[in-house]
Formats: sequence, structure tokens, C-alpha cells
Amino acid sequence: GQNIDQPTEMTATEGAIVQINCTYQTSGFNGLFWYQQHAGEAPTFLSYNVLDGLEEKGRFSSFLSRSKGYSYLLLKELQMKDSASYLCAVKAEGYSTLTFGKGTMLLVSP
Amino acid sequence: ETGVTQTPRHLVMGMTNKKSLKCEQHLGHNAMYWYKQSAKKPLELMFVYNFKEQTENNSVPSRFSPECPNSSHLFLHLHTLQPEDSALYLCASSLFGGSDQETQYFGPGTRLLVL
Repeated sequence: GQNIDQPTEMTATEGAIVQINCTYQTSGFNGLFWYQQHAGEAPTFLSYNVLDGLEEKGRFSSFLSRSKGYSYLLLKELQMKDSASYLCAVKAEGYSTLTFGKGTMLLVSP
Repeated sequence: ETGVTQTPRHLVMGMTNKKSLKCEQHLGHNAMYWYKQSAKKPLELMFVYNFKEQTENNSVPSRFSPECPNSSHLFLHLHTLQPEDSALYLCASSLFGGSDQETQYFGPGTRLLVL
């Protein structure tokens, strides 16, 4: 079976840095995705990791450790518009589809 | 604008009604997906179509009936739904359904309320 865990909610202050963790137990592994979803809107793609290490993309970075079944999304210089739900999703080996975590609701305050 | 559109955006229906959700992608993709998103639950995959052929049905009740007439359009026909089917229904597409590094692009969803 597939299991993906991430915190339900996090709060942070504008301008700060926040790290959203995701742990997974899946039957095989073929990549991990992070999506951002604002209330009432479509999830939008943020990052993809398949090899260990850090992928940096502007203010957002994503890290993966396959041996630990662990990933995090790092958001720097937080802005109010970063308030959203962040979804971790894993593509298990042999499957074409994604398994999603419940999402982490991030609230950025002034 | 993600290139994936869904209509209607909001739908209220009774348990005896029949309605359809529509999804259209303008990205030239060949795989399309239906997901259900309920409060405090993960996105749940319902159906996958690759090149118009259904390749996955994730044990979805028969009151949900998908249709994919071509690679750009996907429908979800609804009949005799239950109140617990109230949720956000998301459509997504990707270039090819079986590629490892594929990114799925989502539509804005249809917010469904079953009374």
C-alpha cells in the first residue's frame, strides 16, 4: 500500500522561511511531486524530485532522501500570496498515477 | 491559466438527478484523469484514460461513469449520487500516462453538492 504523511497546518510570518515535510512509504518509487493549491483553485505544479538532493527554483526548493522516504519543500522570503495548501505526491514504481498526501495548509501572516 | 478547463464550476444536485461534468484540455496531452478531493482527505484518483482508453478504474462506484470521446475531452456522468459524494472533482491531464517524469496539470475543479 501507499502512505504519505505531511503536517495538516503550519503558520509563518511574511518574509520568513518555512519547511514543509513529507514522509512516504510506497511500493517502489518513481518520483515525488509538490503542488500548490489555493482555495477554490487548481493544484499547480511546483517541483519534481527523483534523485536525492536539493532542487532549487527561485524562492522554492525541494529536497529528497530516498533512503529515508523523506522530502521537504522550503519556501523562502514568504509572501502573503504563499498562503495555500501544499500537496506532496509520490509516483510509485510500475504505476503511472500519483498518490497524494492530505496536504499542508500554510498560513502566512503579516 | 493551466490549459485545463472544467464546467460547471459549481453544481448542486438531488440524489435522483443525472448530471455530467466536463473537462477539456488545450495542452495537446494524451492522458486525462478524474480525481475526487474531499475535506481533510487526500486527492483520490478515480479514473485514468490514455489515448481515449480507460487504463485505471480505482474501485469507483458505478454511479460515476466516465467518458473520453477524444484526447482533449473527458466527462464524468453522475446519477443517483449520495450526499457523501459531495466533494471537489478535479480533472488533470499529462502528456503520456506512463512516463515517469510526467507532470499532471489540473483544472480548477467542479464543486459538487449532493442534497
